[in-house]
Amino acid sequence: EADIYQTPRYLVIGTGKKITLECSQTMGHDKMYWYQQDPGMELHLIHYSYGVNSTEKGDLSSESTVSRIRTEHFPLTLESARPSHTSQYLCASSEIGQFNEKLFFGSGTQLSVL
Amino acid sequence: AQTVTQSQPEMSVQEAETVTLSCTYDTSESNYYLFWYKQPPSRQMILVIRQEAYKQQNATENRFSVNFQKAAKSFSLKISDSQLGDTAMYFCAFMSTGNQFYFGTGTSLTVIP
Repeated sequence: EADIYQTPRYLVIGTGKKITLECSQTMGHDKMYWYQQDPGMELHLIHYSYGVNSTEKGDLSSESTVSRIRTEHFPLTLESARPSHTSQYLCASSEIGQFNEKLFFGSGTQLSVL
Repeated sequence: AQTVTQSQPEMSVQEAETVTLSCTYDTSESNYYLFWYKQPPSRQMILVIRQEAYKQQNATENRFSVNFQKAAKSFSLKISDSQLGDTAMYFCAFMSTGNQFYFGTGTSLTVIP
């Protein structure tokens, strides 16, 4: 079934740890995004990609990094997690150049840094 | 810069009644897309309805319809015959010709049995 998957669903870690949030989609979409979502706030774009080997920073400054080695995979990495990184992270994908463009979202990863 | 404003942080509606969620946006572009997304508790965000700015006709999807006022830069969502499963966060979103999405802060809707 075509979908977009995020793992883990919940993650609690200590300060200073390196973490990678996984995101995979089976729809063959070229565009992928990472959003940060805090309660009562709008979704903030932190990274996006237009395809393999393409990555860009979004509007919200982030200490995370991303990679796009395969079309279906767009992991986000925090080299040294801090309590300020506590948030929900949403991965999304969409097709390029399609008239009916829309975002497909994963279920999100709720990250808590102690 | 594009901005999306949802001025109703929380709303409630009786089951089977109708509710309208408000959204305004600001842009200098003439061609763009507007969306309403629904995020149920602990579940994936999904698209509810989509509107192209160049279309004057308001989009409808079953019980969901929009009131798109381009001159006023307003894009409200009407949910008719509200159901318990409509309880969710609703996000208004704007997509520019640069293919960037901008989201509002969301409206938490509770459908009361």
